[in-house]
Amino acid sequence: AQSVTQLGSHVSVSEGALVLLRCNYSSSVPPYLFWYVQYPNQGLQLLLKYTSAATLVKGINGFEAEFKKSETSFHLTKPSAHMSDAAEYFCAVSVGSGGGADGLTFGKGTHLIIQP
Amino acid sequence: GAGVSQSPSNKVTEKGKDVELRCDPISGHTALYWYRQSLGQGLEFLIYFQGNSAPDKSGLPSDRFSAERTGGSVSTLTIQRTQQEDSAVYLCASSLITSGSYEQYFGPGTRLTVT
Repeated sequence: AQSVTQLGSHVSVSEGALVLLRCNYSSSVPPYLFWYVQYPNQGLQLLLKYTSAATLVKGINGFEAEFKKSETSFHLTKPSAHMSDAAEYFCAVSVGSGGGADGLTFGKGTHLIIQP
Repeated sequence: GAGVSQSPSNKVTEKGKDVELRCDPISGHTALYWYRQSLGQGLEFLIYFQGNSAPDKSGLPSDRFSAERTGGSVSTLTIQRTQQEDSAVYLCASSLITSGSYEQYFGPGTRLTVT
């Protein structure tokens, strides 16, 4: 079975600073990896995905993530934080078996706080 | 185009009552998923439909939970004899399962409060 660990339930950065949200996964087969963002009282919005193509994945709103198999990591970064980035971020994994029958396994989430 | 929609957006019910939560997936999406989001448990996968079929129901928390999908479109999640621990946000997602793409698109959720 697969699992996801997000280090840091809360991360605080200054506006304009680098954002780094950490995600490590465990999977016995090559995984599909996703980052989702959730704004207050809203559903989940896909930021980016890794599906075994390029290891450096670019997403929306200036975010990107790098898949590192040797480290079993898929950390999310953004060079310069904006106040509008304040939200909850979730890393998720799917092994894609049976056309997605196992659904997504999510990490516990990281609450990103942007300091003015 | 229209995204995933869910109704109701909020539901308050008394302990012991039955509730039905509805999900309308993105048109043409063959796969549909239900998740539960709660403070204590985070995001939990409940069940998945490919077409009208649910291959694996083991993610449902108890036999009070059931789900169905008709016409390959709308899905209903039913909770019988609700308990306070059922209070959570229930999220629905849909996906167009194609080779190399398993991204899921989520609805806004139904917030269920059991009093």
